[in-house]
Amino acid sequence: EDKVVQSPLSLVVHEGDTVTLNCSYEVTNFRSLLWYKQEKKAPTFLFMLTSSGIEKKSGRLSSILDKKELSSILNITATQTGDSAIYLCAGSFNQFYFGTGTSLTVIP
Amino acid sequence: KAGVTQTPRYLIKTRGQQVTLSCSPISGHRSVSWYQQTPGQGLQFLFEYFSETQRNKGNFPGRFSGRQFSNSRSEMNVSTLELGDSALYLCASSLDPGGTEAFFGQGTRLTVV
Repeated sequence: EDKVVQSPLSLVVHEGDTVTLNCSYEVTNFRSLLWYKQEKKAPTFLFMLTSSGIEKKSGRLSSILDKKELSSILNITATQTGDSAIYLCAGSFNQFYFGTGTSLTVIP
Repeated sequence: KAGVTQTPRYLIKTRGQQVTLSCSPISGHRSVSWYQQTPGQGLQFLFEYFSETQRNKGNFPGRFSGRQFSNSRSEMNVSTLELGDSALYLCASSLDPGGTEAFFGQGTRLTVV
């Protein structure tokens, strides 16, 4: 059965800390892995990863895919209160399989 | 470029009623997926449409149904509403199923009383 598992389920850090969020997947005929940030309503797209070992970066956020380990990590450096959100990852084949998300809270 | 539009944004219904939610995808996107999100459950896949055909269906009862029109707009219908159907319903559009990034609408918050 295809599935995506994220860890930890929740995380509380102080501003300025660096966090690493994990995502492991078992998706038949895997095509890509996607990360989203969900603050209030709609998840907003962060990254799409298709090639193993190639890091994608956007400001303080970065992500990398390890196809051998069937996993991905999302790093956030120098966290800010605005980073507080639920972070979702999804593995895709012919549909998207979402994990339950990691709830990140950044304390001032 | 307009994003994904879901209507209505909020809805309150009573048990036993039915409801129809609408999703207009990004122009040019032909794939629309629907998800139910409840606290602690994450995004539960409902179904996915591509070129007016339902390609995949999640593990939900037959009370949940959907369709897609020739302009790629999609509707989902829930009949005989139950209290447990209260949730945020999100739709996402993409160019093709599962192959490119999917973009979400703001969702419809359904409350069943």
